[in-house]
Amino acid sequence: DTAVSQTPKYLVTQMGNDKSIKCEQNLGHDTMYWYKQDSKKFLKIMFSYNNKELIINETVPNRFSPKSPDKAHLNLHINSLELGDSAVYFCASSRATGANEQYFGPGTRLTVT
Amino acid sequence: AQSVTQLGSHVSVSEGALVLLRCNYSSSVPPYLFWYVQYPNQGLQLLLKYTSAATLVKGINGFEAEFKKSETSFHLTKPSAHMSDAAEYFCAVFSTGRRALTFGSGTRLQVQP
Repeated sequence: DTAVSQTPKYLVTQMGNDKSIKCEQNLGHDTMYWYKQDSKKFLKIMFSYNNKELIINETVPNRFSPKSPDKAHLNLHINSLELGDSAVYFCASSRATGANEQYFGPGTRLTVT
Repeated sequence: AQSVTQLGSHVSVSEGALVLLRCNYSSSVPPYLFWYVQYPNQGLQLLLKYTSAATLVKGINGFEAEFKKSETSFHLTKPSAHMSDAAEYFCAVFSTGRRALTFGSGTRLQVQP
């Protein structure tokens, strides 16, 4: 009964392809996030959703499109993958949009060749 | 804008020695500060959180951090390191304007036997 789960754990693909990463949380939280962690371990928020509504949309290329079908799921679709998209992508959730503890998924390591 | 700076990208201690990981913050308002830990190939886990209730905050696994406004610091300490403490540690500040966490660059803790 993993709290925040992501699939797949590893994703290797070629430049130009389109791929999706799925995230699900069973904590009953209202807010979900996507983070990108680069090769130097630097973590940066990409998006956040609260109750299926987009709250944060950082300066991310519009090739990245989040989708929240319900408040327990937040998927990330990436079009026309580029080498620079290689990173670990983390999904997280929290009770609400305030300064609450965020629970992180195990990450998806994306490698673009 | 609120930010955190972690001094020292790598810290190495002997098992049983004091652990001190440094974090300084920049904020024009009372900050919400966090320490997260990331074990190899895993997501982040909350160690502790400062919300102005008490300047000394105790967390999990024997860690604690002290909020010092005069020094704009929130350093993480543990009296006696265990091998299992080897991980990447991230300091973070919650930005009320952005409604998002801003993470520091991380500090890798190595524990030598």
